[in-house]
Amino acid sequence: AAGVIQSPRHLIKEKRETATLKCYPIPRHDTVYWYQQGPGQDPQFLISFYEKMQSDKGSIPDRFSAQQFSDYHSELNMSSLELGDSALYFCASSLDNTGELFFGEGSRLTVL
Amino acid sequence: QQQVKQSPQSLIVQKGGISIINCAYENTAFDYFPWYQQFPGKGPALLIAIRPDVSEKKEGRFTISFNKSAKQFSLHIMDSQPGDSATYFCAASKGGGSNYKLTFGKGTLLTVNP
Repeated sequence: AAGVIQSPRHLIKEKRETATLKCYPIPRHDTVYWYQQGPGQDPQFLISFYEKMQSDKGSIPDRFSAQQFSDYHSELNMSSLELGDSALYFCASSLDNTGELFFGEGSRLTVL
Repeated sequence: QQQVKQSPQSLIVQKGGISIINCAYENTAFDYFPWYQQFPGKGPALLIAIRPDVSEKKEGRFTISFNKSAKQFSLHIMDSQPGDSATYFCAASKGGGSNYKLTFGKGTLLTVNP
């Protein structure tokens, strides 16, 4: 069965650089969620999109932005990277009103 | 303030034993309670989930017990196996329209010794 695809899987950036993470949801899933997980931490909700519109916003820094495109894939853009942005970034997708979120394998961002 | 409190932080169980992880929540608007299993470097995988209209749900060796009045729910893993060694997260969400944003507990690192 198709799963949530995230790219790149690993990313190394310098401080103050920018990074873009991509997420391809499970086919026919219309909702995408972004989570950030620090080492040994639980995933923290960043932002979500439903039918290409932002549906909710969590603890996402102003330096970060995201969008969902017409093909339902989503991108998380991170600028002015800080050391503290080093984390695993997960994308999850779901079908409207099911509540079942399926997570991708994550993108590991390391900021040096 | 942690909206979903999970315990214990870590758990060691012998092969064949029962693993029990507990969670408590504050927000009575939560209406969906999933458990996720996560292996190192991997994404969380949905294990089993329950809604408040039932008190128990069983899928194979995994059972969720739900106590609405106490605002608590727990995961029981029967006949625990070394392959079950992972971090387990409870979560909660309040559905509505298109948004089922999950709030996670802090996680429990389960080790099953052979």
